[in-house]
Amino acid sequence: EDQVTQSPEALRLQEGESSSLNCSYTVSGLRGLFWYRQDPGKGPEFLFTLYSAGEEKEKERLKATLTKKESFLHITAPKPEDSATYLCAVQENTGFQKLVFGTGTRLLVSP
Amino acid sequence: DTEVTQTPKHLVMGMTNKKSLKCEQHMGHRAMYWYKQKAKKPPELMFVYSYEKLSINESVPSRFSPECPNSSLLNLHLHALQPEDSALYLCASSPLQSPNEQFFGPGTRLTVL
Repeated sequence: EDQVTQSPEALRLQEGESSSLNCSYTVSGLRGLFWYRQDPGKGPEFLFTLYSAGEEKEKERLKATLTKKESFLHITAPKPEDSATYLCAVQENTGFQKLVFGTGTRLLVSP
Repeated sequence: DTEVTQTPKHLVMGMTNKKSLKCEQHMGHRAMYWYKQKAKKPPELMFVYSYEKLSINESVPSRFSPECPNSSLLNLHLHALQPEDSALYLCASSPLQSPNEQFFGPGTRLTVL
């Protein structure tokens, strides 16, 4: 069965203090790994798709990377508006329509 | 139009009521999804429709009944729900390609009394 584990569960940063979130996964064959941002009471907002080990994608202060066993979401010089829950999800080869989500990392950036 | 809309935003219902949640997208996506999300938990897949046909049912109780009347609309009919069904219900859509990026609506916050 797919396993997606995110760490840390919660992270508190000062504005400008860079850090990384981790997503470890075990699937029989990875078709895609997705990062989403979710604000309280709202639907997840799509950030990135990563397809293969070694791939990197960037968007503003966020950079996502992928290895064969994990993905990192690097946040550079975060601002308070980056506060949210960041969700990682995987699709495996046999069920391309099914996203399996990790439990998320709740990020709080203080001014 | 690049968004998924859901109505209503909030719904309170009794255990004997019948209600429906509605989802709409105009991105030309041919896959649509229903997820359930409890507080501080990740979204859990309930149903998937591909080309307006039900392709995945994640063993959801029959008190939840999905319907896809056309390629832009997705409904979730609710009947005889239990208080533990209270949650945020999320709709998503995606192109039918693999891997596919799913785009989520804002959700309907459901409370069952």
